[in-house]
Amino acid sequence: GENVEQHPSTLSVQEGDSAVIKCTYSDSASNYFPWYKQELGKRPQLIIDIRSNVGEKKDQRIAVTLNKTAKHFSLHITETQPEDSAVYFCAASGAHSGNTPLVFGKGTRLSVIA
Amino acid sequence: NAGVTQTPKFQVLKTGQSMTLQCAQDMNHNSMYWYRQDPGMGLRLIYYSASEGTTDKGEVPNGYNVSRLNKREFSLRLESAAPSQTSVYFCASSEAPDFGETQYFGPGTRLLVL
Repeated sequence: GENVEQHPSTLSVQEGDSAVIKCTYSDSASNYFPWYKQELGKRPQLIIDIRSNVGEKKDQRIAVTLNKTAKHFSLHITETQPEDSAVYFCAASGAHSGNTPLVFGKGTRLSVIA
Repeated sequence: NAGVTQTPKFQVLKTGQSMTLQCAQDMNHNSMYWYRQDPGMGLRLIYYSASEGTTDKGEVPNGYNVSRLNKREFSLRLESAAPSQTSVYFCASSEAPDFGETQYFGPGTRLLVL
C-alpha cells in the first residue's frame, strides 16, 4: 500500500521568511495530493491540493509543487506570519486507480517566530 | 450547515468498557471516515465508508467496529477499550467516493482509557 514520508517533523522560521515542507510517496498510481493545516486543539482543514496532471499550484502565499518522476511533493509558504504556526499534514491517494483512501504523513510542526 | 459533528467531545473509560462514538454530516456527502490521531503519528485511518451501505478497514482497524447507519451517520464502536486506544478520534466526510476530494473533519473526540 501507499506510504507517505514527511520532513521535517519540526520547523522554526522567522516571521517573513519562507517555509518548505517535503513529502515523498511510494505508490506511483497515486494522483491526488492534499495538504491539511491543524491549529492547536482544532480539526485539520484543507489548505491546498494538487492533482498529478499539474506540476505546480499556487494560492496567495501558499504553493505546492509535484514531481511525479521522483514521487515527491512540497508545500511552500512565503512571507510567513505568526498565524501560519500549526501542524501541517501531507497526504496521497490513488483517486483513479481503484479507490484507495488518503494516506497521511506524520506531520510537520511549524513555528513562526515574531 | 453544521458540517461534521461528533459526540462526545471527551470521554474517560476504564479498561474493558465499551462505547460508541457518533458522527453525523449534513453536507450530503457519500464517503465518511474515522481516524485516530496520536502524538507524532499523524492521522491514521481506522475504517471508512465509501458510500452508504459499505464499510472497509483502514490502516488500524483492530479493536474497532463501525456502522454506516444511513447517509448522514457513521458510528465507531470500541467493544472492550484498552489503554492503547487512548487517542483523539476524528470523523471526516467527503463528497465523492473516489477519495480525490476534500475531506471535512469533525471537531474530534478525546478519549482516555484508564
